[in-house]
Amino acid sequence: TQLLEQSPQFLSIQEGENLTVYCNSSSVFSSLQWYRQEPGEGPVLLVTVVTGGEVKKLKRLTFQFGDARKDSSLHITAAQPGDTGLYLCAGGDSNSGYALNFGKGTSLLVTP
Amino acid sequence: ETGVTQSPTHLIKTRGQQVTLRCSSQSGHNTVSWYQQALGQGPQFIFQYYREEENGRGNFPPRFSGLQFPNYSSELNVNALELDDSALYLCASSSVGGGTSYEQYFGPGTRLTVT
Repeated sequence: TQLLEQSPQFLSIQEGENLTVYCNSSSVFSSLQWYRQEPGEGPVLLVTVVTGGEVKKLKRLTFQFGDARKDSSLHITAAQPGDTGLYLCAGGDSNSGYALNFGKGTSLLVTP
Repeated sequence: ETGVTQSPTHLIKTRGQQVTLRCSSQSGHNTVSWYQQALGQGPQFIFQYYREEENGRGNFPPRFSGLQFPNYSSELNVNALELDDSALYLCASSSVGGGTSYEQYFGPGTRLTVT
Protein backbone atom coordinates (compact mmCIF):
# COMPACT_ATOMS: atom_id res chain seq x y z
CA THR A 1 0.00 0.00 0.00
CA GLN A 2 1.28 3.43 -0.96
CA LEU A 3 0.97 5.71 2.07
CA LEU A 4 -0.09 9.34 1.94
CA GLU A 5 0.56 11.68 4.85
CA GLN A 6 -1.35 14.89 5.23
CA SER A 7 -0.46 17.90 7.34
CA PRO A 8 -1.61 19.60 9.36
CA GLN A 9 -4.19 17.21 10.79
CA PHE A 10 -6.33 20.05 12.17
CA LEU A 11 -6.51 23.72 11.23
CA SER A 12 -8.68 26.44 12.76
CA ILE A 13 -8.49 29.87 11.18
CA GLN A 14 -10.53 33.04 10.86
CA GLU A 15 -12.36 34.14 7.77
CA GLY A 16 -10.08 35.95 5.34
CA GLU A 17 -6.89 34.11 6.25
CA ASN A 18 -4.83 32.06 3.80
CA LEU A 19 -3.78 28.46 4.40
CA THR A 20 -1.87 25.59 2.82
CA VAL A 21 -2.46 21.88 3.29
CA TYR A 22 0.19 19.32 2.35
CA CYS A 23 0.03 15.75 1.08
CA ASN A 24 3.28 13.75 0.98
CA SER A 25 4.33 10.26 0.01
CA SER A 26 7.48 8.27 -0.72
CA SER A 27 5.70 6.69 -3.70
CA VAL A 28 5.11 8.02 -7.18
CA PHE A 29 1.49 8.36 -8.23
CA SER A 30 0.15 8.43 -11.76
CA SER A 31 -2.47 10.89 -10.59
CA LEU A 32 -3.61 12.50 -7.39
CA GLN A 33 -7.04 13.74 -6.38
CA TRP A 34 -8.22 16.19 -3.75
CA TYR A 35 -11.61 15.73 -2.15
CA ARG A 36 -13.64 17.72 0.36
CA GLN A 37 -15.94 15.91 2.77
CA GLU A 38 -18.57 17.33 5.09
CA PRO A 39 -19.77 15.44 8.19
CA GLY A 40 -21.97 12.46 7.38
CA GLU A 41 -21.52 12.84 3.63
CA GLY A 42 -19.35 11.28 0.96
CA PRO A 43 -16.19 12.97 -0.36
CA VAL A 44 -16.69 15.39 -3.26
CA LEU A 45 -14.01 15.48 -5.94
CA LEU A 46 -12.35 18.91 -6.22
CA VAL A 47 -9.52 18.31 -8.68
CA THR A 48 -7.28 15.71 -10.33
CA VAL A 49 -3.62 16.45 -11.05
CA VAL A 50 -1.67 14.24 -13.41
CA THR A 51 1.50 15.95 -14.63
CA GLY A 52 4.51 16.66 -12.39
CA GLY A 53 4.66 20.38 -11.59
CA GLU A 54 1.05 20.89 -12.64
CA VAL A 55 -0.88 23.75 -11.04
CA LYS A 56 -4.67 23.95 -11.13
CA LYS A 57 -6.91 26.68 -9.82
CA LEU A 58 -10.51 26.36 -8.68
CA LYS A 59 -11.73 29.84 -7.66
CA ARG A 60 -9.83 30.57 -4.42
CA LEU A 61 -8.25 27.08 -4.28
CA THR A 62 -4.86 26.39 -5.89
CA PHE A 63 -3.62 22.81 -6.24
CA GLN A 64 -0.05 21.84 -7.09
CA PHE A 65 1.45 18.45 -7.96
CA GLY A 66 5.11 18.00 -7.11
CA ASP A 67 7.65 17.65 -9.90
CA ALA A 68 8.37 14.05 -8.88
CA ARG A 69 4.64 13.26 -8.53
CA LYS A 70 5.11 12.23 -4.89
CA ASP A 71 3.52 15.21 -3.16
CA SER A 72 0.85 17.84 -3.56
CA SER A 73 -0.41 20.96 -1.87
CA LEU A 74 -3.70 22.79 -1.60
CA HIS A 75 -3.65 26.53 -0.96
CA ILE A 76 -6.81 28.44 -0.04
CA THR A 77 -6.83 32.22 -0.37
CA ALA A 78 -9.12 34.32 1.81
CA ALA A 79 -10.82 31.37 3.47
CA GLN A 80 -14.56 31.52 4.05
CA PRO A 81 -16.78 29.60 6.52
CA GLY A 82 -18.11 27.60 3.56
CA ASP A 83 -14.61 26.14 3.12
CA THR A 84 -15.00 24.26 6.42
CA GLY A 85 -14.66 20.51 5.99
CA LEU A 86 -12.29 17.57 5.78
CA TYR A 87 -9.81 17.83 2.92
CA LEU A 88 -8.56 14.49 1.66
CA CYS A 89 -5.84 13.71 -0.85
CA ALA A 90 -5.90 10.39 -2.67
CA GLY A 91 -3.46 8.71 -5.03
CA GLY A 92 -4.10 5.97 -7.56
CA ASP A 93 -2.77 2.53 -6.58
CA SER A 94 -2.14 0.50 -9.70
CA ASN A 95 -1.52 -2.60 -7.55
CA SER A 96 -5.21 -2.73 -6.63
CA GLY A 97 -7.02 -2.11 -9.87
CA TYR A 98 -7.86 1.57 -9.94
CA ALA A 99 -8.20 1.90 -6.15
CA LEU A 100 -7.47 5.11 -4.32
CA ASN A 101 -5.16 5.37 -1.32
CA PHE A 102 -6.33 8.17 0.95
CA GLY A 103 -4.51 10.25 3.50
CA LYS A 104 -6.14 10.74 6.91
CA GLY A 105 -7.25 14.21 5.91
CA THR A 106 -6.95 17.77 7.17
CA SER A 107 -9.91 19.01 9.17
CA LEU A 108 -10.40 22.72 8.46
CA LEU A 109 -12.58 25.05 10.50
CA VAL A 110 -13.08 28.61 9.29
CA THR A 111 -14.81 30.89 11.77
CA PRO A 112 -16.49 34.21 10.88
CA GLU B 1 -26.84 12.83 -14.96
CA THR B 2 -27.73 10.69 -11.94
CA GLY B 3 -25.15 10.57 -9.16
CA VAL B 4 -24.13 7.67 -6.96
CA THR B 5 -26.82 6.55 -4.55
CA GLN B 6 -26.53 4.25 -1.54
CA SER B 7 -29.01 2.49 0.70
CA PRO B 8 -29.79 2.37 3.48
CA THR B 9 -28.59 5.65 4.97
CA HIS B 10 -28.20 4.30 8.47
CA LEU B 11 -28.18 0.79 9.87
CA ILE B 12 -27.84 -0.71 13.34
CA LYS B 13 -26.84 -4.36 13.67
CA THR B 14 -25.80 -6.69 16.44
CA ARG B 15 -22.40 -8.37 16.63
CA GLY B 16 -22.39 -11.66 14.69
CA GLN B 17 -25.16 -10.63 12.28
CA GLN B 18 -24.82 -10.16 8.55
CA VAL B 19 -25.47 -6.97 6.56
CA THR B 20 -25.95 -6.04 2.90
CA LEU B 21 -25.35 -2.52 1.63
CA ARG B 22 -26.39 -1.36 -1.82
CA CYS B 23 -25.05 1.11 -4.35
CA SER B 24 -26.20 2.43 -7.71
CA SER B 25 -23.38 3.84 -9.79
CA GLN B 26 -23.40 7.11 -11.70
CA SER B 27 -24.78 6.76 -15.20
CA GLY B 28 -22.07 5.97 -17.74
CA HIS B 29 -19.71 4.46 -15.16
CA ASN B 30 -18.65 0.81 -15.32
CA THR B 31 -16.64 0.37 -12.13
CA VAL B 32 -17.65 0.39 -8.48
CA SER B 33 -15.34 0.62 -5.49
CA TRP B 34 -16.18 0.26 -1.80
CA TYR B 35 -14.42 2.02 1.05
CA GLN B 36 -14.69 1.90 4.83
CA GLN B 37 -14.21 5.15 6.73
CA ALA B 38 -13.80 4.94 10.48
CA LEU B 39 -14.38 8.05 12.56
CA GLY B 40 -11.52 10.54 12.16
CA GLN B 41 -9.83 8.54 9.41
CA GLY B 42 -9.59 8.67 5.64
CA PRO B 43 -11.46 6.07 3.58
CA GLN B 44 -9.84 2.62 3.37
CA PHE B 45 -10.19 0.64 0.14
CA ILE B 46 -12.16 -2.61 0.52
CA PHE B 47 -12.50 -3.84 -3.07
CA GLN B 48 -13.40 -2.84 -6.60
CA TYR B 49 -15.63 -4.44 -9.22
CA TYR B 50 -15.30 -4.11 -12.98
CA ARG B 51 -17.43 -6.05 -15.44
CA GLU B 52 -18.99 -7.97 -12.56
CA GLU B 53 -15.66 -9.32 -11.31
CA GLU B 54 -13.44 -8.27 -8.43
CA ASN B 55 -10.72 -6.07 -9.88
CA GLY B 56 -8.66 -5.40 -6.76
CA ARG B 57 -8.91 -5.87 -3.02
CA GLY B 58 -7.59 -4.06 0.02
CA ASN B 59 -6.55 -5.53 3.36
CA PHE B 60 -9.97 -6.77 4.46
CA PRO B 61 -10.90 -10.32 5.54
CA PRO B 62 -13.01 -12.68 3.36
CA ARG B 63 -16.13 -11.97 5.43
CA PHE B 64 -16.29 -8.77 3.38
CA SER B 65 -17.64 -9.76 -0.03
CA GLY B 66 -19.35 -8.07 -2.91
CA LEU B 67 -21.22 -8.30 -6.15
CA GLN B 68 -21.61 -6.16 -9.22
CA PHE B 69 -24.69 -6.55 -11.42
CA PRO B 70 -25.07 -6.13 -15.21
CA ASN B 71 -26.46 -2.62 -14.68
CA TYR B 72 -23.22 -1.79 -12.75
CA SER B 73 -24.98 -1.50 -9.40
CA SER B 74 -23.27 -3.26 -6.52
CA GLU B 75 -23.68 -4.84 -3.11
CA LEU B 76 -21.32 -5.07 -0.17
CA ASN B 77 -21.93 -7.98 2.20
CA VAL B 78 -20.35 -8.30 5.61
CA ASN B 79 -20.74 -11.52 7.59
CA ALA B 80 -20.15 -12.13 11.29
CA LEU B 81 -20.20 -8.45 12.16
CA GLU B 82 -17.70 -7.19 14.71
CA LEU B 83 -17.80 -4.01 16.78
CA ASP B 84 -14.87 -2.60 14.74
CA ASP B 85 -16.98 -2.83 11.59
CA SER B 86 -18.86 0.26 12.79
CA ALA B 87 -18.04 2.90 10.18
CA LEU B 88 -19.25 4.91 7.21
CA TYR B 89 -19.28 2.69 4.13
CA LEU B 90 -18.73 4.58 0.91
CA CYS B 91 -19.42 3.47 -2.61
CA ALA B 92 -17.66 5.19 -5.50
CA SER B 93 -18.16 4.81 -9.22
CA SER B 94 -15.77 5.50 -12.04
CA SER B 95 -15.20 4.82 -15.70
CA VAL B 96 -12.19 2.63 -16.29
CA GLY B 97 -10.38 2.83 -19.58
CA GLY B 98 -9.96 6.54 -20.11
CA GLY B 99 -7.27 8.97 -18.94
CA THR B 100 -9.21 9.75 -15.79
CA SER B 101 -9.60 6.17 -14.60
CA TYR B 102 -8.63 7.08 -11.04
CA GLU B 103 -11.33 9.74 -10.71
CA GLN B 104 -14.03 8.35 -8.48
CA TYR B 105 -17.36 9.83 -7.53
CA PHE B 106 -18.73 8.98 -4.13
CA GLY B 107 -22.18 8.35 -2.79
CA PRO B 108 -23.37 9.77 0.53
CA GLY B 109 -22.45 6.59 2.40
CA THR B 110 -24.17 4.16 4.74
CA ARG B 111 -23.51 4.65 8.44
CA LEU B 112 -23.28 1.17 10.03
CA THR B 113 -23.34 0.81 13.79
CA VAL B 114 -22.60 -2.59 15.33
CA THR B 115 -23.63 -3.08 18.95
